[in-house]
Amino acid sequence: QVHLQESGPGLVKPSETLSLTCNVSGGSLSNHYWTWIRQPAGKGLDWIGRIYPSGSTNYNPSLKSRVTISLDMSKNQVSLRLSSVIAADTAVYFCARVTQLAPYYYAMDIWGQGTTVTVSS
Amino acid sequence: DIQMTQSPSSLSASVGDRVTITCRASEDIGTYLNWYQQKPGKAPNVLIYAASTLQRGVPSRFSGSRSGTDFTLTISGLQPEDFATYYCQQSFRIPRTFGQGSKVEIK
Repeated sequence: QVHLQESGPGLVKPSETLSLTCNVSGGSLSNHYWTWIRQPAGKGLDWIGRIYPSGSTNYNPSLKSRVTISLDMSKNQVSLRLSSVIAADTAVYFCARVTQLAPYYYAMDIWGQGTTVTVSS
Repeated sequence: DIQMTQSPSSLSASVGDRVTITCRASEDIGTYLNWYQQKPGKAPNVLIYAASTLQRGVPSRFSGSRSGTDFTLTISGLQPEDFATYYCQQSFRIPRTFGQGSKVEIK
């Protein structure tokens, strides 16, 4: 049973860097790709970016200059860094596994519980 | 970016009702459309992928369909555990984008 658990500071000051870790247990980082999603309170889901087992990444252009997603295969962890944060970055941050459920068709099939990050001085 | 527009934003329904939620893509995405269910305080859960294929373990009262750039999620015989918010998501192009959500509330 694969389980994802996000962790990191719940409070980050404006202009600083948000750093979150997603610990993956019960499975390997290989054979899937991994994504970060965020959800401001009471609002919808925003895709941040994804990373392949090879380390190749794609980011949302709206965040591209500020975001970095990385893998640590030895620790079975996926990390998110978002620099120069502002109040609008306040949200619940989810990591999710993306699986090929059928040829060419992918979906986020396993999610962490999410971690709340507040940007405030 | 591909815009995904859901309707309605919210609806009230009773147990046993048939509920339909629509999602319109701003361009042709083929059948690269997923549906997720999210309950308060929880992460989303995938219900349907490839527009109409039920994810393993999802009850058969959920179904999905496509007509051009319009997609529909139908719940046939609403159950108490189905009161939640539903999101569509396109998996055709980066960045992935979601609809704004449709909240199904108890009448």
